[in-house]
Amino acid sequence: NAGVTQTPKFQVLKTGQSMTLQCAQDMNHEYMSWYRQDPGMGLRLIHYSVGAGITDQGEVPNGYNVSRSTTEDFPLRLLSAAPSQTSVYFCASSYWGRGTDTQYFGPGTRLTVL
Amino acid sequence: GQNIDQPTEMTATEGAIVQINCTYQTSGFNGLFWYQQHAGEAPTFLSYNVLDGLEEKGRFSSFLSRSKGYSYLLLKELQMKDSASYLCAVRAGSGGGADGLTFGKGTHLIIQP
Repeated sequence: NAGVTQTPKFQVLKTGQSMTLQCAQDMNHEYMSWYRQDPGMGLRLIHYSVGAGITDQGEVPNGYNVSRSTTEDFPLRLLSAAPSQTSVYFCASSYWGRGTDTQYFGPGTRLTVL
Repeated sequence: GQNIDQPTEMTATEGAIVQINCTYQTSGFNGLFWYQQHAGEAPTFLSYNVLDGLEEKGRFSSFLSRSKGYSYLLLKELQMKDSASYLCAVRAGSGGGADGLTFGKGTHLIIQP
């Protein structure tokens, strides 16, 4: 199993550009989510999904869109990049049930918006 | 709202024991997690508590008191490789894993020889 994979690992954008951060998992997890991590702020939830076709907003959803057409993939779209979106982005997938719960993180995408 | 507090930084000595505390105030509770994160890397899962009490996994133990909104992570026989940030997180939704986690800002643990 590859676990949770993310591409690209690094990206530099100019203000106003759009792009999609890719996330895929091969563990057949129903739940997937996107977080951003900024110095001194901790990890903050952007969007999450409980299954194909179902998404919902987290704590900091503005400026981001998501879709979940398959169980495996959960891309994050930046509509018009802003310097405030400079951050490290982590995708995660999780399994919950029968008294157990864990969340697996991808390696992250380091995004800089100029 | 959700609020999770943990110390910003702690220092401990190789071979010793350290306890990292976490207090939380959330609108719901469906489990508390501890993650380890080395600089420049993704968080890795350490422990999960949903019922009160102590969960032990090798050198790592995690304790939960739901009535007090309190957890701690205990690391024994500290090694230099334990130098990392330790993240406390709560799943505050109604259940079914149908939401993400709320994280504290992390505790940076420094291990000295």
